[in-house]
Amino acid sequence: NAGVTQTPKFQVLKTGQSMTLQCAQDMNHNSMYWYRQDPGMGLRLIYYSASEGTTDKGEVPNGYNVSRLNKREFSLRLESAAPSQTSVYFCASRKQGARGDGYTFGSGTRLTVV
Amino acid sequence: AQSVTQPDIHITVSEGASLELRCNYSYGATPYLFWYVQSPGQGLQLLLKYFSGDTLVQGIKGFEAEFKRSQSSFNLRKPSVHWSDAAEYFCAVGPSNDYKLSFGAGTTVTVRA
Repeated sequence: NAGVTQTPKFQVLKTGQSMTLQCAQDMNHNSMYWYRQDPGMGLRLIYYSASEGTTDKGEVPNGYNVSRLNKREFSLRLESAAPSQTSVYFCASRKQGARGDGYTFGSGTRLTVV
Repeated sequence: AQSVTQPDIHITVSEGASLELRCNYSYGATPYLFWYVQSPGQGLQLLLKYFSGDTLVQGIKGFEAEFKRSQSSFNLRKPSVHWSDAAEYFCAVGPSNDYKLSFGAGTTVTVRA
């Protein structure tokens, strides 16, 4: 049981390049989330998908797009990377109707934009 | 809007000593409250949660937390820390009708021998 799997684990991009961060969960969870973690700021929600076929903006969506490919997969795309997007990105999932269970997190993608 | 404040950025504690991490939240109704732990280079692991019932909740790894509505607090405690408790700890709050968690900035715990 892998839980939430994120790829890649590390990435260095040049300013203006694009890339897609992949996330997949094997727990049959309905809801999936993308957060970024920056020092002194905790985790901030970028986008989330309450269920397959739906996506919504979070607190810091600018510069990002997402795709809920199917129930298992939720990808995050940076169309034109900027140094301000240097961060650690976490994907998480949650079972619908199980608010008390909290999120299950992936191990993160450390992205550096130079 | 919901928010979480963790007043302590960094705490150093001796192995075997007690630990208390503070968390204050802002939310208009009864919140869902969580504590997560993050070891270096790892994702976040759920320590414990509160959404109703007994205000003193027990979690994994010997941690507990107490919900105090009057103080809008949900402080995390451990009676005797181990070197393996060195990590970053995050408090989070979420409303009952949605599930977008808001996280505090985190508290880094260093354990000295």
